[in-house]
Amino acid sequence: KAGVTQTPRYLIKTRGQQVTLSCSPISGHRSVSWYQQTPGQGLQFLFEYFSETQRNKGNFPGRFSGRQFSNSRSEMNVSTLELGDSALYLCASSEAGGPGDTQYFGPGTRLTVL
Amino acid sequence: GIQVEQSPPDLILQEGANSTLRCNFSDSVNNLQWFHQNPWGQLINLFYIPSGTKQNGRLSATTVATERYSLLYISSSQTTDSGVYFCAVLTYNQGGKLIFGQGTELSVKP
Repeated sequence: KAGVTQTPRYLIKTRGQQVTLSCSPISGHRSVSWYQQTPGQGLQFLFEYFSETQRNKGNFPGRFSGRQFSNSRSEMNVSTLELGDSALYLCASSEAGGPGDTQYFGPGTRLTVL
Repeated sequence: GIQVEQSPPDLILQEGANSTLRCNFSDSVNNLQWFHQNPWGQLINLFYIPSGTKQNGRLSATTVATERYSLLYISSSQTTDSGVYFCAVLTYNQGGKLIFGQGTELSVKP
């Protein structure tokens, strides 16, 4: 099976712009989670989608949003970008996001905000 | 919420040496995974190990759930083992939400 794919891999934006990142899970996986990684805060959970519904959400402002499509592909959107949004954004997929599921990560999207 | 602590934060080894990385967690967990983050940022799955012991080549892991810790052993280290190792846990009522430790940065010198 193909692994988790993320596009684009690199992105440069300026403050105030918005950005959309895409994640395609492993075939058959219905849960997609998003994480932000920064040097100061480490890896932090953004949100999780299962069957097109947001099931869990981390402590991020409303500028961060996401959605999941019927084919389980997911997008996350960040509006009104700030310098502090510069980070590596990782998505992970699992069969159902349950406690017994292994999560598999994509290669990430590295976002730089100037 | 649950806290995950990894030690040591940094580790420098000579090629061929063995090492032990530790992960402590503050509450019961249903899922514990070890990852290796490569230089390009991707998290590579090493083990899914909520309890017990597993081995994969030169790597092995042990989780003692009742005492809330997990250990990752790397034997006969190679330069390609360099990178950051993370443990992450998930609790029953936090579907899909992995809580990560701060990582151990391993550098293996030739």
